[in-house]
Amino acid sequence: DAKTTQPTSMDCAEGRAANLPCNHSTISGNEYVYWYRQIHSQGPQYIIHGLKNNETNEMASLIITEDRKSSTLILPHATLRDTAVYYCIVRVASGGSARQLTFGSGTQLTVLP
Amino acid sequence: DTEVTQTPKHLVMGMTNKKSLKCEQHMGHRAMYWYKQKAKKPPELMFVYSYEKLSINESVPSRFSPECPNSSLLNLHLHALQPEDSALYLCASSQVFGTQYFGPGTRLTVL
Repeated sequence: DAKTTQPTSMDCAEGRAANLPCNHSTISGNEYVYWYRQIHSQGPQYIIHGLKNNETNEMASLIITEDRKSSTLILPHATLRDTAVYYCIVRVASGGSARQLTFGSGTQLTVLP
Repeated sequence: DTEVTQTPKHLVMGMTNKKSLKCEQHMGHRAMYWYKQKAKKPPELMFVYSYEKLSINESVPSRFSPECPNSSLLNLHLHALQPEDSALYLCASSQVFGTQYFGPGTRLTVL
């Protein structure tokens, strides 16, 4: 699976949009981009994933560049409860057997009141 | 429903004890995973079960013994652990090629 690079930490004001970037310049054509977050001492929570098109669900939006070498997770109206470590993970989603998620260091997002 | 349950939430054990961690899902997923997470580090894979068969073992010491008795249950048997094995143990499940959903974890302390 391709490696990802994320900023170590970011701050965001409550109520504003949080934009979390991720670089995955070595991504292959059959690799998806997944985003998870982990609130302190809890299990990671799935947020969203995508292959090439932009995706949106009730939690967030995922914007993937046309060359697929980077992506941005957008939390449209951040709240204090969105304070967490956010992980961007690239993973092949087909072929062979079940595959693990390889977590990088992630981005610590702190939402400020 | 995307719930994965894990018991117990917290476990304290001595180095000579034998204990088990349990994980359960009822989403019909056929892949289940154990991850280990040390403080301030990302989760690291330990084991993967696919269709109730062990498919990946990330060179985990034999004092950790996984078991998948059926498609809904995953156990992790612990024996003769060391203090450095203290960590958050996370279970996850997925369709074989699908999105993984995690449980809340078991916080293990080895004295």
